[in-house]
Order: sequence, then C-alpha cells, then structure tokens
Amino acid sequence: AQSVTQPDIHITVSEGASLELRCNYSYGATPYLFWYVQSPGQGLQLLLKYFSGDTLVQGIKGFEAEFKRSQSSFNLRKPSVHWSDAAEYFCAVDVTGTASKLTFGTGTRLQVTL
Amino acid sequence: GAGVSQSPSNKVTEKGKDVELRCDPISGHTALYWYRQSLGQGLEFLIYFQGNSAPDKSGLPSDRFSAERTGGSVSTLTIQRTQQEDSAVYLCASRAGHSYEQYFGPGTRLTVT
Repeated sequence: AQSVTQPDIHITVSEGASLELRCNYSYGATPYLFWYVQSPGQGLQLLLKYFSGDTLVQGIKGFEAEFKRSQSSFNLRKPSVHWSDAAEYFCAVDVTGTASKLTFGTGTRLQVTL
Repeated sequence: GAGVSQSPSNKVTEKGKDVELRCDPISGHTALYWYRQSLGQGLEFLIYFQGNSAPDKSGLPSDRFSAERTGGSVSTLTIQRTQQEDSAVYLCASRAGHSYEQYFGPGTRLTVT
C-alpha cells in the first residue's frame, strides 16, 4: 500500500547535538516531498520541500533534508539542535503533483534536553 | 500579513449535536484544505477547494461531514450528528494558486462528549 513512514515516534536529543529524523515513502514515482513542524498548540509550518533537482534541500531554522531515490527516503537533519526545536515533525507527500492534497506520516515528537 | 484563522479554537459538544467550524484563509489564496488530526488516525485529508472547481471530497469520512466555501474565501466544515470518534483537531490550510506551500491555521479542537 502507498504510504509515508516515520519510524521514530519519539526522539530525545541534547541541545547542541545533531539530529536526523527519518522518512520513507512507498509510491511508484517520486512524489513531491515536504517536512512540516508543529509546535504545541500551533498549526503546521513548512520547513522545506523537494520537487526535483538537487537532492539536498535547505529549509528554514537551519534544517536540511536529503532525498535518496534508491532508499525512497527524505530524511530531515539539523547539525546542532536548539531547545526551541522541540516539537512534532511531519513528513508529507503530494503524490498527485497537483497540490491537491498532502498525505502525512504519523509524526516524530522531538524532545530536547538541556 | 494575517495568516489562516480558525474559529472557534475549542468546541465541546454533546454527541448527536451538529457543529460548524470556520476557516478564514489568507487573502487571495485560491486553494483551501481541511485536515483532521486525531490520536488514532494521525493527520488525514478531508476536503480540498480550488477556485470555482468542484471540491475534492474524497477524504470525508462519512456523509455526516460536509463543507462549503462561500465566495471563494471563508469555508465552513459542518459535522452533523456528532459522534465521539469525531473528537479531533480540525486544521484548515490555504495556498496561493502559483505555489505548492500550504499555510495552516492553528486548528479547532473538537471534543464530543
């Protein structure tokens, strides 16, 4: 079945440590790929997106993600995490390429320890 | 500028009652979406409006759910005869016609008792 998988439900990292959040998709073609962040009580904010071209994309707040076609992955990374990065992170895909709707992963909750 | 706004922010209703949730998109955005976020189901697409085209209702879970968008701007999601499983956060998003980025509102938390 077509799906978006975020294998890690919950991750804890120390402030200043590096971060990698995993996302895998299972679709026949490469969908448009997104990462969103949701802070407590807030709506979702777009961190970055990949449509085509350079497989390493830069986003806001110091985040980047790398698309790997061979692994059907679009992992989110940050070299040094700040306490304010504690939030829930969602990987999403647009399989239609027409922006008609997003299919979300189940999310990864990031906790940052001081 | 103003972002997507939703009202009410919280709604508690009794099982069997009807509820209306409102979304004010960003001015000028032609596309509007409703999603539902619940513990058991994660984030689910409900419905999509694009300009004057017929809405994509493929995500609505039952015929108790409906939505309209008046004048290409404000949208109302209506849930009739609410059930406890309808308890969730309902998120609205809007998008400019030339962009793929959806801007989300803060959501309406619906609790059905």
